[in-house]
Amino acid sequence: AQSVTQLDSQVPVFEEAPVELRCNYSSSVSVYLFWYVQYPNQGLQLLLKYLSGSTLVKGINGFEAEFNKSQTSFHLRKPSVHISDTAEYFCAVSPRRGATNKLIFGTGTLLAVQP
Amino acid sequence: EPEVTQTPSHQVTQMGQEVILRCVPISNHLYFYWYRQILGQKVEFLVSFYNNEISEKSEIFDDQFSVERPDGSNFTLKIRSTKLEDSAMYFCASINTIVGYTEAFFGQGTRLTVV
Repeated sequence: AQSVTQLDSQVPVFEEAPVELRCNYSSSVSVYLFWYVQYPNQGLQLLLKYLSGSTLVKGINGFEAEFNKSQTSFHLRKPSVHISDTAEYFCAVSPRRGATNKLIFGTGTLLAVQP
Repeated sequence: EPEVTQTPSHQVTQMGQEVILRCVPISNHLYFYWYRQILGQKVEFLVSFYNNEISEKSEIFDDQFSVERPDGSNFTLKIRSTKLEDSAMYFCASINTIVGYTEAFFGQGTRLTVV
């Protein structure tokens, strides 16, 4: 079984400041890792993913995340946030050899960017 | 750009009533999913559907729930007798294959409110 923990339910940050959203996971099997973003009144959009290879992955809108196998973490970072980055961010995993490619999500982190 | 569409965006229903949530997946996709998010909680997998049958379901997906693809385009989730605890945001998703990794595309969600 898999589980995903996002300890921060809300992260307030000032515009142009750096931000890190934390994600830890637990799994008995190897997994793919994802970050999804949900803007107000919109669906879930894939921000970035880790499948294999380099542990530092870059996504859309200047976000990046680093996979740390020993710490079972996949923290999301952005060096300088904009007001438009205000959204809910979800970390998710999917078993690599699963029968259905279902996603297991964390509870989400609301990134609130203030001017 | 292809997208997954869900209707309605918001549905209010009385406890005990039946509701049908509708989704139109991306046209060449073969695997379909329903997820739900109770307010303030994590996004949870409900069910996956392939080749006109359920391929996996969670413990949440009890006898009150059913899914079908009645006409080759729509993918529906039916709740036979709604309970207050069914109030949640319901997301539909689709992918075109489960061989290796492919991106899951999500709809904007239907907010179901049971009163």
